[in-house]
Amino acid sequence: EPEVTQTPSHQVTQMGQEVILRCVPISNHLYFYWYRQILGQKVEFLVSFYNNEISEKSEIFDDQFSVERPDGSNFTLKIRSTKLEDSAMYFCASSRRVPGELFFGEGSRLTVL
Amino acid sequence: RKEVEQDPGPFNVPEGATVAFNCTYSNSASQSFFWYRQDCRKEPKLLMSVYSSGNEDGRFTAQLNRASQYISLLIRDSKLSDSATYLCVVNGDAGNMLTFGGGTRLMVKP
Repeated sequence: EPEVTQTPSHQVTQMGQEVILRCVPISNHLYFYWYRQILGQKVEFLVSFYNNEISEKSEIFDDQFSVERPDGSNFTLKIRSTKLEDSAMYFCASSRRVPGELFFGEGSRLTVL
Repeated sequence: RKEVEQDPGPFNVPEGATVAFNCTYSNSASQSFFWYRQDCRKEPKLLMSVYSSGNEDGRFTAQLNRASQYISLLIRDSKLSDSATYLCVVNGDAGNMLTFGGGTRLMVKP
């Protein structure tokens, strides 16, 4: 069964450092997303991406965040200068259509010290 | 008012019990509704979509009440493996963006 894959599974970084989280969406999906979940809190939308551009973003997705699809398979989330409050699980998801079912990767846990 | 609201629980039920969760949503223009399941420290996984006519998948039944803006999930004959957090998901104010509720935690006990 096709799945969304994410790397790394866990990253520890120092405050102020740049972090890149990587995702390989399901191959025939056209819509890509990043969500995050702070420990004990709800899943929060960050950004959606379609046709090589951002289609929607939330208030959380400020200038410190960026997304890119550098090639035909990878979808990346960059945090330019991490803050303590960026510590969370970051989930990548993809879907065939919108609005539609999201298929999530296993997540990348980011710990900012 | 929160966009998608759920009772956080936990709901503690014995094996074999029937349990129901509700979820309310604020955007009357929402068109798509889903129940996801999330195990501890894992990714959300789609349990079922919720259709206007209601739908059933084995022991699970989902209903939509547009007039009152809520959706429900009924689990019959609960199993230990049903223990998880159940997330209500609705497409939100921005149209395509899916908004998650805070989840309802279910614990099924022997």
